[in-house]
Amino acid sequence: GDSVTQMEGPVTLSEEAFLTINCTYTATGYPSLFWYVQYPGEGLQLLLKATKADDKGSNKGFEATYRKETTSFHLEKGSVQVSDSAVYFCASSNYGGSQGNLIFGKGTKLSVKP
Amino acid sequence: GAGVSQSPSNKVTEKGKDVELRCDPISGHTALYWYRQSLGQGLEFLIYFQGNSAPDKSGLPSDRFSAERTGGSVSTLTIQRTQQEDSAVYLCASSLTGQGAYEQYFGPGTRLTVT
Repeated sequence: GDSVTQMEGPVTLSEEAFLTINCTYTATGYPSLFWYVQYPGEGLQLLLKATKADDKGSNKGFEATYRKETTSFHLEKGSVQVSDSAVYFCASSNYGGSQGNLIFGKGTKLSVKP
Repeated sequence: GAGVSQSPSNKVTEKGKDVELRCDPISGHTALYWYRQSLGQGLEFLIYFQGNSAPDKSGLPSDRFSAERTGGSVSTLTIQRTQQEDSAVYLCASSLTGQGAYEQYFGPGTRLTVT
C-alpha cells in the first residue's frame, strides 16, 4: 500500500542554519503531497502542499518540490529560527481519489537553539 | 471563523469502560476524518465520512471502534470496552470535499488515557 518515509529525528540546529528534512513516498496513483507542522502544545496545521509533479510548495520560508522521478518531497529552509522548533510531518493523499485520507510519515522533531 | 473543535480535550477512563469522543467540523465541510496519534504508531487514519456515509471503515483497529456522523456535521467516535493500547490522542479533521488535494483542518485532539 501507499506509504511515506521521512528522516527520523530529533534534529537539532543552531539559529540561521540550513534545514533539510527528507521525505519519500510510495503510491499507486498520483498523490498530493503535504508538510504539516505541530508546534508545542498546538494542533496539526498545514505548512505547504504540492499537487502534481514539479510543483513547489512554499510558506514561511519553507519550500518543498514534488519530485516524481525520485518520489521525494524534501522540506528545506535556508535559515531556521528558534520559533521553527516543532514536529514536522510529511504526508500524501491520493489525488483525485474519492477518499483523500492522509498517510503520514512518523514525524521529525526539530529543535533550533539560539 | 470557527475551526474544528473536539471534546473532551482529555479523558481518563478505566479499562473496560466505553468512551465517546466528539468532533465538530468546520461548517460547510462535507468530508470528516478521524486519526489516532500514538507514540508507537505515529499518525494513523481511522475512518472517513463523506456527508453522513463512511465508505471505508477498514482503518478502524478493531470492532470495538465505531463512528457515526449526523446531519453532515457532528461526528462521534465510540470505543467500547477500552484497552490500555487505546491510549492515544484522537484527532479529527475536516475538508471541503473528500478529494485528496484539499487541505484538511485539524482539531486540537482528545487525549485518551486508559488506566
